[in-house]
Amino acid sequence: GAGVSQSPSNKVTEKGKDVELRCDPISGHTALYWYRQSLGQGLEFLIYFQGNSAPDKSGLPSDRFSAERTGGSVSTLTIQRTQQEDSAVYLCASSPRWAATNEKLFFGSGTQLSVL
Amino acid sequence: QKEVEQDPGPLSVPEGAIVSLNCTYSNSAFQYFMWYRQYSRKGPELLMYTYSSGNKEDGRFTAQVDKSSKYISLFIRDSQPSDSATYLCAMRGSARQLTFGSGTQLTVLP
Repeated sequence: GAGVSQSPSNKVTEKGKDVELRCDPISGHTALYWYRQSLGQGLEFLIYFQGNSAPDKSGLPSDRFSAERTGGSVSTLTIQRTQQEDSAVYLCASSPRWAATNEKLFFGSGTQLSVL
Repeated sequence: QKEVEQDPGPLSVPEGAIVSLNCTYSNSAFQYFMWYRQYSRKGPELLMYTYSSGNKEDGRFTAQVDKSSKYISLFIRDSQPSDSATYLCAMRGSARQLTFGSGTQLTVLP
């Protein structure tokens, strides 16, 4: 059952390494969102997908960040050459109704990324 | 200046108290307003969704929107220890992404 599943739940990496974060949305949900939550901060929008396409990539902080979604399901957020300021909780959310005015997002528990 | 301002707290109240949580915003294009609750080490979950100015009630929770003042509130009646969490306001206009406040940490003491 299920809710939105994210893996790993925790990731510790060294500065300069690449990391991949995975999101399994709720089955049948067409929209998928990535947000980042830094300590004491609100959620910062990164990117969203409708199906496999990402109409809005404006929230990605730099070209070190990329994301893809395959089969209208699983999504991967990749951070290349990680920096200490990338340390945060990365949250994924999915939604069953694209463009609905009362769109409801279901969030996963996030991946806590720590860059040493 | 942030588009959405929210007092981070922490806020501590005794069980049974009425809690008032607030956000102000600057973007007049925001039309849809939400409150999310986030327990420690969990993702946010949607509590309340409102579109127009006015009040919306759901059990012990009441969401209030005043678009003329760019001010939204969440009231929790008869607060319980299980309400202890971080509460995030969120809003959006025609764009898909939500803009969140920084969250208010609430503790309800038994």
